[in-house]
Amino acid sequence: ETGVTQSPTHLIKTRGQQVTLRCSSQSGHNTVSWYQQALGQGPQFIFQYYREEENGRGNFPPRFSGLQFPNYSSELNVNALELDDSALYLCASSPVIGSGYGYTFGSGTRLTVV
Amino acid sequence: SQELEQSPQSLIVQEGKNLTINCTSSKTLYGLYWYKQKYGEGLIFLMMLQKGGEEKSHEKITAKLDEKKQQSSLHITASQPSHAGIYLCGADSGNQFYFGTGTSLTVIP
Repeated sequence: ETGVTQSPTHLIKTRGQQVTLRCSSQSGHNTVSWYQQALGQGPQFIFQYYREEENGRGNFPPRFSGLQFPNYSSELNVNALELDDSALYLCASSPVIGSGYGYTFGSGTRLTVV
Repeated sequence: SQELEQSPQSLIVQEGKNLTINCTSSKTLYGLYWYKQKYGEGLIFLMMLQKGGEEKSHEKITAKLDEKKQQSSLHITASQPSHAGIYLCGADSGNQFYFGTGTSLTVIP
């Protein structure tokens, strides 16, 4: 049973709108990362937060932004939605930054942009 | 950036057969993760390999890391329908995590 929960599970938005996806990490996990997974592809790294600061970013435009809160929750915000933003968004948390402890993934939020 | 290439892209096997999935990195591997994903769901952590030559097993799944070849393999013995899903290898560069291209496994009862 995963200790990472994401909400909502499904979401439909219109092109140009803004969306906020939420993730609740396991207690004690101070590293959280977000991924975008298009249909039939592997997850693509968006960014990672460590102790409320972004410390790594993949090849995503600035309209993808995030926040991490002291209570181990985090948000992924996407502005000016495009059709290609339709994907499964996954968050993952880890107790320590870097390798060695594995990442626990949530079940994801399925975003559809129409 | 680091790239992880998996082979085969998809695999269909009869229940009870053994199978191997490979993950090859474009850069030196300092650690390699294996995950399993059911369609449209989150990822389940299988195991993590840190040292060259390291081998780990979990139930009927064994993974090995060959640092010299920049490659890892995942072997499933006596496959079962419950093994079906998408297998992903991943590597952590410290502030960025990369996933492989994925291998879709179908096990026919």
